[in-house]
Amino acid sequence: EPEVTQTPSHQVTQMGQEVILRCVPISNHLYFYWYRQILGQKVEFLVSFYNNEISEKSEIFDDQFSVERPDGSNFTLKIRSTKLEDSAMYFCASSDQREREETQYFGPGTRLLVL
Amino acid sequence: GDSVTQMEGPVTLSEEAFLTINCTYTATGYPSLFWYVQYPGEGLQLLLKATKADDKGSNKGFEATYRKETTSFHLEKGSVQVSDSAVYFCALLFSGGYNKLIFGAGTRLAVHP
Repeated sequence: EPEVTQTPSHQVTQMGQEVILRCVPISNHLYFYWYRQILGQKVEFLVSFYNNEISEKSEIFDDQFSVERPDGSNFTLKIRSTKLEDSAMYFCASSDQREREETQYFGPGTRLLVL
Repeated sequence: GDSVTQMEGPVTLSEEAFLTINCTYTATGYPSLFWYVQYPGEGLQLLLKATKADDKGSNKGFEATYRKETTSFHLEKGSVQVSDSAVYFCALLFSGGYNKLIFGAGTRLAVHP
């Protein structure tokens, strides 16, 4: 069964460093998403991406964040200058089409720790 | 704005007990509703969904009915197993945007033999 994959599974970085989180969505999906979950808190929407541009972003997704689909398979989230409060589990998701009932399939997540 | 409220956990049950995890929502329009499950060390997996009022989603013995009159989508299972121990998230598909999921806080379920 097709699945969303994410690398790395864990990332430790120093405050102020740049990190890139990678995702490979399900191959025929067209809509891509990033969510994050700070330890003990809700899963929060960050950004959605379609047709090589951002469709929607939350207030969390400020200028320090960017997303890119550099080739036909990868979808990346970059944090330019990490802060302590960026420590969280980051989930990538993808879906097939923008029907209201369409399911988003999630990857296993990348746990980011900023020291 | 749209939001989801879940009962707080942890919920601790013995094997074969009946499970209910309450979920209520606030939304403009008529969102689709989902339950996702997160097993220890893993990502979010879709458990079941319902797309309109009175729909019942079901999977692996779990059920939830979309109740528009009470704005609820409670998760139930008649007989839980140790392997059901996980965190359960109720979510709605934001009706005013680009398929943005809004999650509840999650409810941790621990099932003991």
